[in-house]
Amino acid sequence: AQTVTQSQPEMSVQEAETVTLSCTYDTSENNYYLFWYKQPPSRQMILVIRQEAYKQQNATENRFSVNFQKAAKSFSLKISDSQLGDTAMYFCASNAGNNRKLIWGLGTSLAVNP
Amino acid sequence: DAGVIQSPRHEVTEMGQEVTLRCKPISGHDYLFWYRQTMMRGLELLIYFNNNVPIDDSGMPEDRFSAKMPNASFSTLKIQPSEPRDSAVYFCASSQPGTAYETQYFGPGTRLLVL
Repeated sequence: AQTVTQSQPEMSVQEAETVTLSCTYDTSENNYYLFWYKQPPSRQMILVIRQEAYKQQNATENRFSVNFQKAAKSFSLKISDSQLGDTAMYFCASNAGNNRKLIWGLGTSLAVNP
Repeated sequence: DAGVIQSPRHEVTEMGQEVTLRCKPISGHDYLFWYRQTMMRGLELLIYFNNNVPIDDSGMPEDRFSAKMPNASFSTLKIQPSEPRDSAVYFCASSQPGTAYETQYFGPGTRLLVL
């Protein structure tokens, strides 16, 4: 069965610094998609960044980038120049196969401190 | 595009009452998902539809929960009778396979409180 593990329940970072959130997954599929979603206090689920497994190049979206290590089944999220608005719960998710279901990690609560 | 629309945004009801949550997916999206989020259990997939047909309802907690999708632009999640343990945030999401990494786009959620 597919699993997604986020080993850091809580993290904090000072404003303007860089932080990396960890995510590992397990799947037997050859092609799959990986996602990071952000959930701020408003509870809205917002897509941060996504990666297709067969693409070697790590995805980047402005201050957000991933370190995708396919062999290690690792998909970490790096936030550069952290801002107060980055304070949120961050969820890692994966889908694979034809059932279109997302498998979710339990989330990492990130606090950006002034 | 307006995004996924959910209503109501907040619902407070008394135990035993019927609750109906509504969702309008993004136009053109063939997949619709209903999730429940609580502190204790995190984010749980309840049911999802493809082209208005329920594909997997294994996450529906019990017979008190039912979901329908009468057409491509509307879905409901009904709880009857409601219980305090149903208090949660309920999300609807939609996706279009074959495009944009099959990304699921979420609505704002309905915060349900059952007293």
